[in-house]
Amino acid sequence: AQSVTQPDIHITVSEGASLELRCNYSYGATPYLFWYVQSPGQGLQLLLKYFSGDTLVQGIKGFEAEFKRSQSSFNLRKPSVHWSDAAEYFCAVGALAGTASKLTFGTGTRLQVTL
Amino acid sequence: DTGVSQDPRHKITKRGQNVTFRCDPISEHNRLYWYRQTLGQGPEFLTYFQNEAQLEKSRLLSDRFSAERPKGSFSTLEIQRTEQGDSAMYLCASSLALATHNEQFFGPGTRLTVL
Repeated sequence: AQSVTQPDIHITVSEGASLELRCNYSYGATPYLFWYVQSPGQGLQLLLKYFSGDTLVQGIKGFEAEFKRSQSSFNLRKPSVHWSDAAEYFCAVGALAGTASKLTFGTGTRLQVTL
Repeated sequence: DTGVSQDPRHKITKRGQNVTFRCDPISEHNRLYWYRQTLGQGPEFLTYFQNEAQLEKSRLLSDRFSAERPKGSFSTLEIQRTEQGDSAMYLCASSLALATHNEQFFGPGTRLTVL
């Protein structure tokens, strides 16, 4: 069964500082990996996704993530955090498109940004 | 707005009552998913449809839960005899089955509170 672990429940960074959110996955084949962001009371917005190819993927709002197969990781990074980035971030793994395609999410990391 | 919409956004009910939620997916999307998100957790898969066929149901979906997508467009999720443990955010997502990437687009969710 597929699973996702986000070891950090809560992270606080200063505005302008760099950010890295950790994600480890367990999946029997090549995973499809996603990072979503959720602001309070809102649905999930896709930040970026990895399917194949270049292991460093760029997303919206200046975020990037690196897929490391050897470490089963897909960490999210941003070089300079803005106060508006404060939100909850979810890593998810999915099956191949065209098959049973549910997403399995981690428990999330809540990001707080101090000014 | 051509995104996924959900109605109502909030629902407060008393234990034992029935509730029904509606989801309108992105118009050309033939897959529709329901997830449940409890406080401090990531979304958990409940069920999904391809067109009008319900293809997979999670063990989380007890007999009190039923979902339909009668014409392959909008979907409803009904909970009968609600319990306090049903209090959660219910998220709907849609995707295009023929897409090479299993990208799911989420609605804003329906927050259910069972008193």
